[in-house]
Amino acid sequence: DAKTTQPNSMESNEEEPVHLPCNHSTISGTDYIHWYRQLPSQGPEYVIHGLTSNVNNRMASLAIAEDRKSSTLILHRATLRDAAVYYCIRPRKLTFGQGTILTVHP
Amino acid sequence: GAGVSQSPSNKVTEKGKDVELRCDPISGHTALYWYRQSLGQGLEFLIYFQGNSAPDKSGLPSDRFSAERTGGSVSTLTIQRTQQEDSAVYLCASSFGPSGANVLTFGAGSRLTVL
Repeated sequence: DAKTTQPNSMESNEEEPVHLPCNHSTISGTDYIHWYRQLPSQGPEYVIHGLTSNVNNRMASLAIAEDRKSSTLILHRATLRDAAVYYCIRPRKLTFGQGTILTVHP
Repeated sequence: GAGVSQSPSNKVTEKGKDVELRCDPISGHTALYWYRQSLGQGLEFLIYFQGNSAPDKSGLPSDRFSAERTGGSVSTLTIQRTQQEDSAVYLCASSFGPSGANVLTFGAGSRLTVL
């Protein structure tokens, strides 16, 4: 099963951290985990990706569980512009799930 | 180019007509992907190209849908005898290759409306 599982929606307040979970229990040892987000009326944009180790970039952090069956995207201080649909995918499987709709409250 | 370019950005057509959607990937990207996104839904995989070959076209919903890629660059998605259920945003993405280490870059999409 190539699917990843994410909550349908999450809410956060501005300036607070957000932890977006993803379950990928059937992942293989060579499968990367990618996160993309889609702002309204735009194509998806890359956020972050990783294989085994935790990753940081200017947009976010990615925490990957030791058994690699799950991961968490961390937005350290949510802003209104972070409101989007967040997708966790295994790119070699080419499928996107429904993603998590993140709402950020002022 | 600097990004993935798709055209037209908007297309309104009548039921039964054929439409062609074009994707111009980032220069040097060998992998190209087509997805479809219906209103309020997630992304539905259609077809994947590596170079000019399509190792995976399992997502094409019917034989009315076809795609080709020439010169390892531009790709065209053709929908014949369009139906109202074909109305959606068609998204194209490209990457350096099929490895999971490579990041997908998406275009802005082509919005198709079938009346």
